[in-house]
Amino acid sequence: QVQLQQWGAGLLKPSETLSLTCAVYGGSFNDYYWNWIRQPPGKGLEWIGEINHSGNTNYNPSLKSRVTISVDTSKNQFSLRLSSLTAADTGVYYCARGRGYDCWGQGTLVTVSS
Amino acid sequence: QLVVTQSPSASASLGASVKLTCTLSSGHSTYAIAWHQQQPEKGPRYLMRLNSDGSHSKGDGIPDRFSGSSSGAERYLIISSLQSEDEGDYHCQSWGTDIQVFGGGTKLTVL
Repeated sequence: QVQLQQWGAGLLKPSETLSLTCAVYGGSFNDYYWNWIRQPPGKGLEWIGEINHSGNTNYNPSLKSRVTISVDTSKNQFSLRLSSLTAADTGVYYCARGRGYDCWGQGTLVTVSS
Repeated sequence: QLVVTQSPSASASLGASVKLTCTLSSGHSTYAIAWHQQQPEKGPRYLMRLNSDGSHSKGDGIPDRFSGSSSGAERYLIISSLQSEDEGDYHCQSWGTDIQVFGGGTKLTVL
């Protein structure tokens, strides 16, 4: 059974860069796109971007200029970097598998505050 | 442009059935979607992928009370024999070749 476990810094200052990593345990890493999704407090879900094992990426156009998603196939991990943070980037960040998100990470609360 | 639309809220009585709707934008009526449940203060949980022909594949452990159907650009989540733990937000999401989109979510209240 596949499990996604994510980690990263939870308290950041404006203008800093968010960095999160998601590790995939079980299942076939090469068969899927791997996604980052976020949820501001009290709001809906927003797709950030995706990557596959070959490093092919797609990003949400609204975030594209600030987002980098990378992959480490030797560890079955993928990572998110989001730069130039503002308070509007505060929320819970999730990793998820595939284009239907059939498996989710546990979520990481990221707070951007001075 | 792919857009996914959901009603903001729905309610139904304990033990009754409810049908939640997800509408795909014009030109995208053949797209598949996925439904996700989010109970209060918890992360999302995958319920099912739903295709345009109504076929669907549910996640592990999802009860038979949850089913899906399709009609044109509309995708439905049907929950029967409503239980208190079904209360929460239900998110619909779809995807194209290089884009993925969420609806705004439907908040389900079990009366």
